Amino acid sequence: KTQVEQSPQSLVVRQGENCVLQCNYSVTPDNHLRWFKQDTGKGLVSLTVLVDQKDKTSNGRYSATLDKDAKHSTLHITATLLDDTATYICVVGQTSGGNYKPTFGKGTSLVVHP
Amino acid sequence: NSKVIQTPRYLVKGQGQKAKMRCIPEKGHPVVFWYQQNKNNEFKFLINFQNQEVLQQIDMTEKRFSAECPSNSPCSLEIQSSEAGDSALYLCASSLWQGINERLFFGHGTKLSVL
Repeated sequence: KTQVEQSPQSLVVRQGENCVLQCNYSVTPDNHLRWFKQDTGKGLVSLTVLVDQKDKTSNGRYSATLDKDAKHSTLHITATLLDDTATYICVVGQTSGGNYKPTFGKGTSLVVHP
Repeated sequence: NSKVIQTPRYLVKGQGQKAKMRCIPEKGHPVVFWYQQNKNNEFKFLINFQNQEVLQQIDMTEKRFSAECPSNSPCSLEIQSSEAGDSALYLCASSLWQGINERLFFGHGTKLSVL
């Protein structure tokens, strides 16, 4: 069973538009949640990490929310740029006994058109 | 630009052959992770190290996969006898420690194709 579900699977927007990516999960315990950006053929770049029961973060044009009661997170990208074209991956992390165990979503593929 | 260096970028092997890939973590990062990302974008944690010691590894890693992070040398992941199902992007990541707020820095990966 998929423990981290991301939606939509793919998304196409025009440059300058805003978009929202969703992440629903069933992982327990859910210590924290990270959003990564993965350009095609590249590694993952961390955008933000959310920790609190109800958390909000902001990193430039990226902002994210987390609701641990609903086991739901969103990633908002405002005023999209062509360089935002990438796959965005939601990762729910658990830490136990000092060890870190992440569970990855399959990602949302975002394409930004001129 | 990623400061975690993975080599080679691409690796092509026949079934049954050994496949070895390397990772130089960001300078000063003692914690190193290896992940497998398949063509369906599914990630699988393989193994992680703190300095030279293995912290965690999955069962798959214990059989055909071996990994090490010797001091003063690149970390490496080796598949003893490659199978078609091993074709994937192998990602290495490093961090200062395993804390919640510690950022993971990923390399660009080694794309393994097993023919």
